[in-house]
Amino acid sequence: GAGVSQSPSNKVTEKGKDVELRCDPISGHTALYWYRQSLGQGLEFLIYFQGNSAPDKSGLPSDRFSAERTGGSVSTLTIQRTQQEDSAVYLCASSLAWEGETQYFGPGTRLLVL
Amino acid sequence: KQEVTQIPAALSVPEGENLVLNCSFTDSAIYNLQWFRQDPGKGLTSLLLIQSSQREQTSGRLNASLDKSSGRSTLYIAASQPGDSATYLCAVFSGTYKYIFGTGTRLKVLA
Repeated sequence: GAGVSQSPSNKVTEKGKDVELRCDPISGHTALYWYRQSLGQGLEFLIYFQGNSAPDKSGLPSDRFSAERTGGSVSTLTIQRTQQEDSAVYLCASSLAWEGETQYFGPGTRLLVL
Repeated sequence: KQEVTQIPAALSVPEGENLVLNCSFTDSAIYNLQWFRQDPGKGLTSLLLIQSSQREQTSGRLNASLDKSSGRSTLYIAASQPGDSATYLCAVFSGTYKYIFGTGTRLKVLA
Protein backbone atom coordinates (compact mmCIF):
# COMPACT_ATOMS: atom_id res chain seq x y z
CA GLY A 1 0.00 0.00 0.00
CA ALA A 2 0.97 3.65 -0.29
CA GLY A 3 3.24 5.03 2.39
CA VAL A 4 3.84 8.57 3.55
CA SER A 5 4.81 10.82 0.67
CA GLN A 6 6.47 14.22 0.76
CA SER A 7 7.08 16.87 -1.84
CA PRO A 8 9.26 18.31 -3.09
CA SER A 9 12.06 15.84 -2.45
CA ASN A 10 14.60 18.64 -2.76
CA LYS A 11 14.24 22.41 -2.51
CA VAL A 12 16.86 25.09 -3.01
CA THR A 13 15.84 28.62 -2.13
CA GLU A 14 17.36 31.98 -1.46
CA LYS A 15 17.57 33.49 1.99
CA GLY A 16 14.48 35.50 2.76
CA LYS A 17 12.11 33.56 0.51
CA ASP A 18 9.13 31.56 1.77
CA VAL A 19 8.88 27.80 1.20
CA GLU A 20 6.07 25.27 1.50
CA LEU A 21 6.66 21.61 2.19
CA ARG A 22 3.91 19.05 1.70
CA CYS A 23 3.14 15.77 3.43
CA ASP A 24 0.57 13.15 2.44
CA PRO A 25 0.10 10.71 5.34
CA ILE A 26 -1.02 7.11 5.09
CA SER A 27 -4.76 6.95 4.52
CA GLY A 28 -6.62 6.51 7.79
CA HIS A 29 -3.78 7.75 9.98
CA THR A 30 -5.07 10.52 12.20
CA ALA A 31 -1.76 11.51 13.79
CA LEU A 32 0.80 13.47 11.77
CA TYR A 33 4.21 14.73 12.87
CA TRP A 34 6.82 17.03 11.40
CA TYR A 35 10.49 16.68 12.34
CA ARG A 36 13.67 18.42 11.26
CA GLN A 37 17.03 16.67 10.87
CA SER A 38 20.00 18.98 10.55
CA LEU A 39 23.39 17.76 9.35
CA GLY A 40 24.97 15.64 12.07
CA GLN A 41 22.05 16.22 14.43
CA GLY A 42 19.26 14.03 15.70
CA LEU A 43 15.64 14.45 14.76
CA GLU A 44 14.01 17.51 16.24
CA PHE A 45 10.26 17.44 16.85
CA LEU A 46 8.48 20.42 15.28
CA ILE A 47 4.71 19.98 15.38
CA TYR A 48 2.07 17.30 15.89
CA PHE A 49 -1.52 17.00 14.65
CA GLN A 50 -4.04 14.56 16.11
CA GLY A 51 -7.40 14.38 14.39
CA ASN A 52 -9.31 17.63 14.73
CA SER A 53 -7.58 18.67 17.94
CA ALA A 54 -5.49 21.82 18.14
CA PRO A 55 -1.94 21.00 17.03
CA ASP A 56 0.96 20.77 19.45
CA LYS A 57 3.27 23.50 18.18
CA SER A 58 5.72 23.31 21.04
CA GLY A 59 8.63 22.28 18.83
CA LEU A 60 8.44 25.05 16.26
CA PRO A 61 11.75 26.95 16.49
CA SER A 62 10.38 30.40 15.66
CA ASP A 63 7.26 32.22 14.50
CA ARG A 64 8.55 31.96 10.93
CA PHE A 65 7.46 28.32 11.03
CA SER A 66 3.82 27.32 10.71
CA ALA A 67 1.90 24.24 9.65
CA GLU A 68 -1.62 23.33 8.80
CA ARG A 69 -3.49 20.16 8.10
CA THR A 70 -6.51 20.36 5.84
CA GLY A 71 -9.37 17.90 6.15
CA GLY A 72 -7.42 15.78 8.58
CA SER A 73 -5.16 14.53 5.81
CA VAL A 74 -2.57 16.51 3.84
CA SER A 75 -0.29 18.81 5.82
CA THR A 76 1.78 21.78 4.73
CA LEU A 77 4.77 23.14 6.63
CA THR A 78 5.54 26.75 5.75
CA ILE A 79 8.77 28.52 6.52
CA GLN A 80 8.68 32.27 6.00
CA ARG A 81 11.72 34.46 5.37
CA THR A 82 14.02 31.45 5.26
CA GLN A 83 17.43 31.63 6.91
CA GLN A 84 20.52 29.56 6.18
CA GLU A 85 20.12 27.74 9.51
CA ASP A 86 16.79 26.42 8.23
CA SER A 87 18.72 24.14 5.86
CA ALA A 88 17.90 20.58 6.90
CA VAL A 89 15.90 17.52 5.98
CA TYR A 90 12.27 17.92 6.96
CA LEU A 91 10.61 14.60 7.74
CA CYS A 92 6.94 13.85 8.08
CA ALA A 93 5.50 10.82 9.86
CA SER A 94 2.02 9.49 10.46
CA SER A 95 0.50 6.94 12.81
CA LEU A 96 -2.85 5.52 13.83
CA ALA A 97 -4.96 7.37 16.36
CA TRP A 98 -2.90 7.15 19.50
CA GLU A 99 0.46 8.85 19.87
CA GLY A 100 2.10 5.67 21.04
CA GLU A 101 1.58 3.83 17.79
CA THR A 102 4.33 2.96 15.34
CA GLN A 103 5.30 5.96 13.24
CA TYR A 104 5.72 5.65 9.48
CA PHE A 105 8.07 8.15 7.93
CA GLY A 106 8.15 9.76 4.53
CA PRO A 107 11.40 10.12 2.56
CA GLY A 108 11.83 13.74 3.61
CA THR A 109 12.35 17.08 1.88
CA ARG A 110 15.94 18.30 1.68
CA LEU A 111 15.89 22.07 2.04
CA LEU A 112 18.93 24.17 1.19
CA VAL A 113 18.83 27.90 1.87
CA LEU A 114 21.53 29.82 0.05
CA LYS B 1 13.83 17.65 29.97
CA GLN B 2 14.12 14.25 28.35
CA GLU B 3 17.49 13.54 26.76
CA VAL B 4 18.30 10.46 24.69
CA THR B 5 21.86 9.27 24.17
CA GLN B 6 23.11 6.53 21.88
CA ILE B 7 26.43 4.76 22.23
CA PRO B 8 28.50 4.10 20.23
CA ALA B 9 28.11 6.88 17.68
CA ALA B 10 29.65 4.66 15.01
CA LEU B 11 30.44 0.98 14.74
CA SER B 12 32.19 -1.12 12.11
CA VAL B 13 32.07 -4.91 12.36
CA PRO B 14 32.79 -7.89 10.11
CA GLU B 15 29.88 -9.80 8.67
CA GLY B 16 28.45 -12.47 10.95
CA GLU B 17 29.11 -10.77 14.25
CA ASN B 18 26.44 -10.33 16.89
CA LEU B 19 26.28 -6.76 18.10
CA VAL B 20 24.56 -4.54 20.64
CA LEU B 21 23.52 -0.93 20.24
CA ASN B 22 22.76 1.10 23.33
CA CYS B 23 20.21 3.80 24.06
CA SER B 24 19.80 5.64 27.34
CA PHE B 25 17.21 8.22 28.41
CA THR B 26 17.07 10.52 31.40
CA ASP B 27 13.33 10.50 32.24
CA SER B 28 11.90 7.05 32.91
CA ALA B 29 8.29 8.25 32.57
CA ILE B 30 7.86 7.05 29.00
CA TYR B 31 4.97 5.42 27.15
CA ASN B 32 7.12 3.52 24.70
CA LEU B 33 10.45 3.34 22.94
CA GLN B 34 11.01 2.72 19.24
CA TRP B 35 14.06 1.65 17.30
CA PHE B 36 14.37 2.87 13.71
CA ARG B 37 16.86 2.45 10.92
CA GLN B 38 17.71 5.19 8.47
CA ASP B 39 19.43 4.48 5.18
CA PRO B 40 21.44 7.31 3.56
CA GLY B 41 19.17 9.85 1.92
CA LYS B 42 16.06 8.02 3.04
CA GLY B 43 13.41 8.35 5.68
CA LEU B 44 13.17 6.24 8.81
CA THR B 45 11.86 2.69 9.03
CA SER B 46 10.42 1.49 12.31
CA LEU B 47 12.07 -1.73 13.48
CA LEU B 48 10.64 -2.44 16.90
CA LEU B 49 8.24 -0.72 19.28
CA ILE B 50 8.40 -1.58 22.98
CA GLN B 51 5.57 -0.39 25.20
CA SER B 52 6.51 0.75 28.71
CA SER B 53 4.96 -2.37 30.22
CA GLN B 54 7.08 -4.68 28.05
CA ARG B 55 10.63 -5.89 28.61
CA GLU B 56 11.55 -6.85 25.07
CA GLN B 57 10.42 -7.27 21.50
CA THR B 58 11.80 -9.52 18.80
CA SER B 59 11.63 -9.41 15.02
CA GLY B 60 13.76 -11.82 13.03
CA ARG B 61 17.40 -11.23 13.88
CA LEU B 62 16.57 -8.17 15.97
CA ASN B 63 15.83 -8.11 19.67
CA ALA B 64 15.21 -4.95 21.65
CA SER B 65 15.07 -4.81 25.43
CA LEU B 66 13.80 -2.08 27.72
CA ASP B 67 14.74 -1.38 31.32
CA LYS B 68 12.61 1.63 32.12
CA SER B 69 13.79 2.04 35.70
CA SER B 70 17.41 2.40 34.65
CA GLY B 71 16.57 4.40 31.52
CA ARG B 72 18.15 1.98 29.09
CA SER B 73 17.35 0.04 25.97
CA THR B 74 19.51 -2.20 23.84
CA LEU B 75 19.09 -3.37 20.27
CA TYR B 76 20.68 -6.73 19.62
CA ILE B 77 21.43 -7.70 16.02
CA ALA B 78 22.31 -11.35 15.47
CA ALA B 79 24.53 -12.59 12.66
CA SER B 80 25.01 -9.15 11.12
CA GLN B 81 24.92 -8.75 7.34
CA PRO B 82 26.17 -6.00 5.01
CA GLY B 83 22.52 -5.10 4.38
CA ASP B 84 22.24 -4.12 8.04
CA SER B 85 24.54 -1.15 7.39
CA ALA B 86 22.56 1.98 8.27
CA THR B 87 22.07 4.49 11.05
CA TYR B 88 20.03 3.15 13.94
CA LEU B 89 17.95 5.60 15.96
CA CYS B 90 16.06 5.13 19.18
CA ALA B 91 13.20 7.39 20.20
CA VAL B 92 11.27 7.64 23.44
CA PHE B 93 7.71 8.85 23.70
CA SER B 94 6.22 10.59 26.69
CA GLY B 95 3.03 12.60 26.90
CA THR B 96 4.82 15.88 27.44
CA TYR B 97 7.74 15.62 25.12
CA LYS B 98 6.33 13.54 22.28
CA TYR B 99 9.00 11.56 20.48
CA ILE B 100 12.56 12.48 21.45
CA PHE B 101 15.24 10.94 19.26
CA GLY B 102 18.83 10.03 19.97
CA THR B 103 21.54 11.07 17.53
CA GLY B 104 21.95 7.52 16.29
CA THR B 105 24.57 4.85 15.81
CA ARG B 106 26.08 4.56 12.33
CA LEU B 107 26.64 0.87 11.67
CA LYS B 108 28.80 -0.54 8.92
CA VAL B 109 28.93 -4.30 8.40
CA LEU B 110 31.89 -5.35 6.30
CA ALA B 111 31.56 -8.23 3.84
